[in-house]
Amino acid sequence: LAKTTQPISMDSYEGQEVNITCSHNNIATNDYITWYQQFPSQGPRFIIQGYKTKVTNEVASLFIPADRKSSTLSLPRVSLSDTAVYYCLVGINTGTASKLTFGTGTRLQVTL
Amino acid sequence: EAGVAQSPRYKIIEKRQSVAFWCNPISGHATLYWYQQILGQGPKLLIQFQNNGVVDDSQLPKDRFSAERLKGVDSTLKIQPAKLEDSAVYLCASSLAGGLNSGNTIYFGEGSWLTVV
Repeated sequence: LAKTTQPISMDSYEGQEVNITCSHNNIATNDYITWYQQFPSQGPRFIIQGYKTKVTNEVASLFIPADRKSSTLSLPRVSLSDTAVYYCLVGINTGTASKLTFGTGTRLQVTL
Repeated sequence: EAGVAQSPRYKIIEKRQSVAFWCNPISGHATLYWYQQILGQGPKLLIQFQNNGVVDDSQLPKDRFSAERLKGVDSTLKIQPAKLEDSAVYLCASSLAGGLNSGNTIYFGEGSWLTVV
């Protein structure tokens, strides 16, 4: 099963924009891409979801190129409270079905 | 709207003992998932239910893990006998439908933390 990969960690200063990319070469044709935020001792929290091009909500933007083999979560003007682990979730084509697969996770550390 | 409820939140047991976790999904959600998340790793799907039927249990260690969703609402995940490597967070999630097509969104509970000593 192809791995869904993300950078292990990223550091940012408060107020900067942060972009986290997820690589998913074998994404299932009809499946959306979902991003989650996870704090210690909590379950993953839904951030944003998209199929292609660009999606924006009140907390983030999601950029998906035409080939859909990657996606980029963009967090505008991060604050200390955005320090967390971020995961993408995609359906990976296994040949017989779409298998839900989390990315490897990116630990974002925001400092003053 | 109430989220996905899980209990207990924390459990410590000795190896070879048994443990059970309970999950109540968001009202109206037909699909229920159990994930295992080992410290420092992403969640791994153990089992997926559609109503009271199993859709995918390919990664469930069936010699020691079992799960049921008898009435198509709440679900129980059991481990018997537990091993040290079962120490993890067990996350329950639910969605209106299965998979990620058509913008279906999966929502997670806070998790049940298991420590096997």
